Amino acid sequence: ETGVTQTPRHLVMGMTNKKSLKCEQHLGHNAMYWYKQSAKKPLELMFVYNFKEQTENNSVPSRFSPECPNSSHLFLHLHTLQPEDSALYLCASSQDIGRYNSPLHFGNGTRLTVT
Amino acid sequence: KNEVEQSPQNLTAQEGEFITINCSYSVGISALHWLQQHPGGGIVSLFMLSSGKKKHGRLIATINIQEKHSSLHITASHPRDSAVYICAVARETSGSRLTFGEGTQLTVNP
Repeated sequence: ETGVTQTPRHLVMGMTNKKSLKCEQHLGHNAMYWYKQSAKKPLELMFVYNFKEQTENNSVPSRFSPECPNSSHLFLHLHTLQPEDSALYLCASSQDIGRYNSPLHFGNGTRLTVT
Repeated sequence: KNEVEQSPQNLTAQEGEFITINCSYSVGISALHWLQQHPGGGIVSLFMLSSGKKKHGRLIATINIQEKHSSLHITASHPRDSAVYICAVARETSGSRLTFGEGTQLTVNP
């Protein structure tokens, strides 16, 4: 049990579908993150939320739409994706974003395949 | 060129061998993290260090701030150590947001 739970673990969707990824943390953290991990590439930060407010959008295409209803839940809404969006999407949380010694806690990720 | 470079990219070892994975970075940092990612995808934090050396079980992490270099050592390696090991740095101005290396795929054969 990592304290950060992501669902679903695997998702296959067509380019015209709409789906959502869910992340939930039970650690009492205030900051939550979405990362994308493509094969043979470093993790890429997509979005950062701190106290439910989006603080960073790392030039992510609008077909990815995040939502953070409260500090414990984070969603990533997906629509009209492209095959190159196939990747592992990882959620993480930390106590806050301002302190360098606030370690990240990761979920197990959602393996997304766009057909 | 990535701000965080790891070597080697792939490493195969026999059970019991001493393993070293290296990480070099080119930016000023507040801390360096070593992370472990198993085939299922989840990532676990192994170490966070800003100076010197830390040890946990068979794992040892060192950092040389002047040389902008860190190493992760595994003593008496075991097949269950097979995973991707990722180096990540917290830049001086970025708080807890991390910049990641590409990872080192370690395979330990019995």
